[in-house]
Amino acid sequence: NAGVMQNPRHLVRRRGQEARLRCSPMKGHSHVYWYRQLPEEGLKFMVYLQKENIIDESGMPKERFSAEFPKEGPSILRIQQVVRGDSAAYFCASSPRAITEAFFGQGTRLTVV
Amino acid sequence: DQQVKQNSPSLSVQEGRISILNCDYTNSMFDYFLWYKKYPAEGPTFLISISSIKDKNEDGRFTVFLNKSAKHLSLHIVPSQPGDSAVYFCAASGYGNKLVFGAGTILRVKS
Repeated sequence: NAGVMQNPRHLVRRRGQEARLRCSPMKGHSHVYWYRQLPEEGLKFMVYLQKENIIDESGMPKERFSAEFPKEGPSILRIQQVVRGDSAAYFCASSPRAITEAFFGQGTRLTVV
Repeated sequence: DQQVKQNSPSLSVQEGRISILNCDYTNSMFDYFLWYKKYPAEGPTFLISISSIKDKNEDGRFTVFLNKSAKHLSLHIVPSQPGDSAVYFCAASGYGNKLVFGAGTILRVKS
């Protein structure tokens, strides 16, 4: 059973470009969470999704950021018009149901130049 | 609003001794607590969890203690090993909601 797969592992974007981060949850997991870790900081919650539904997006910046988890395919975190402050490690986690441990992917390290 | 706090940014322990990592929370709605371990350039790895109906959970060298009245939990690692050196995150959730993480504690186990 493969773990949570995130790609790409590293992503470099110029200011103003779009970044798309992908997350394939573990088999059988229908809950997906996205977290961001800024340099020297902890993990900050961004969004919690179940298949085709956003459950909690209280941690998402109001502009430029969006997330989806379609019925088929991976979850996507999309950042439009990236700025240098978006540079961070973005982690995806999945769980089979609520109130259980979530398993993390290796993360995508986004660098905005 | 920091609902989960790890007040010690770092901890240094001698190999073979006990490591105690602490975590405090403010939200009384939290009913499930977890500890994760993270190495540089990797994702967090789940270590151990505890629900609010228990006050202790043990798994090998790792034991988590929960004091609900004090809104405090701790992770004990006995005996500590050099491979335990990592960042440890405390996390909490309530009503099946998202996991809220603390800022992490860097553990260094010296051989």
